[in-house]
Amino acid sequence: SQQGEEDPQALSIQEGENATMNCSYKTSINNLQWYRQNSGRGLVHLILIRSNEREKHSGRLRVTLDTSKKSSSLLITASRAADTASYFCATDAWGAQKLVFGQGTRLTINP
Amino acid sequence: DSGVTQTPKHLITATGQRVTLRCSPRSGDLSVYWYQQSLDQGLQFLIQYYNGEERAKGNILERFSAQQFPDLHSELNLSSLELGDSALYFCASSVAWTGAVEQFFGPGTRLTVL
Repeated sequence: SQQGEEDPQALSIQEGENATMNCSYKTSINNLQWYRQNSGRGLVHLILIRSNEREKHSGRLRVTLDTSKKSSSLLITASRAADTASYFCATDAWGAQKLVFGQGTRLTINP
Repeated sequence: DSGVTQTPKHLITATGQRVTLRCSPRSGDLSVYWYQQSLDQGLQFLIQYYNGEERAKGNILERFSAQQFPDLHSELNLSSLELGDSALYFCASSVAWTGAVEQFFGPGTRLTVL
């Protein structure tokens, strides 16, 4: 079963708007990562946040982590058409020694 | 370009057949991961190798096997193929074997079983 569950499954917004995607997970984690996948291509790492961090920024990306709620969010500000992709969270659960990916959020940016 | 290469890009075969997918990790990366991505199952972790040794196993079927060679390239063998094995197979690599490092994904091999 998937450790991470993204919400929403699909999101469609206008270019320039902000996009927020959420990820919930079930067990305690060491780290949480976000990846992007353009249609049919390999995943690309976006950002990693450790369990003792609450917020992290990278360019137009902002990731938050709430370990008490077992959830994370990815915010993309000032979206562009090139941000159209699927976004996955991946969790590294304690003792699991592997990353478990969620089902992803399919983001569409309309020009 | 992630630096991870996978061959072939596309593979079309028949049920019951056996295929081998190949992966070369980024230079310097010791850990290799295999994933299967299908529409109904999402991205599923199959197996991980670190410096030639198996480190973690996921939802890998008994009909599937993998290995990592001394030169660190890896092969995923799929046998007695079924229609449901049609999917994108990704290889990823990382410097270490923990979840605290990013993984670099290859472009994938699209397997179609007819």
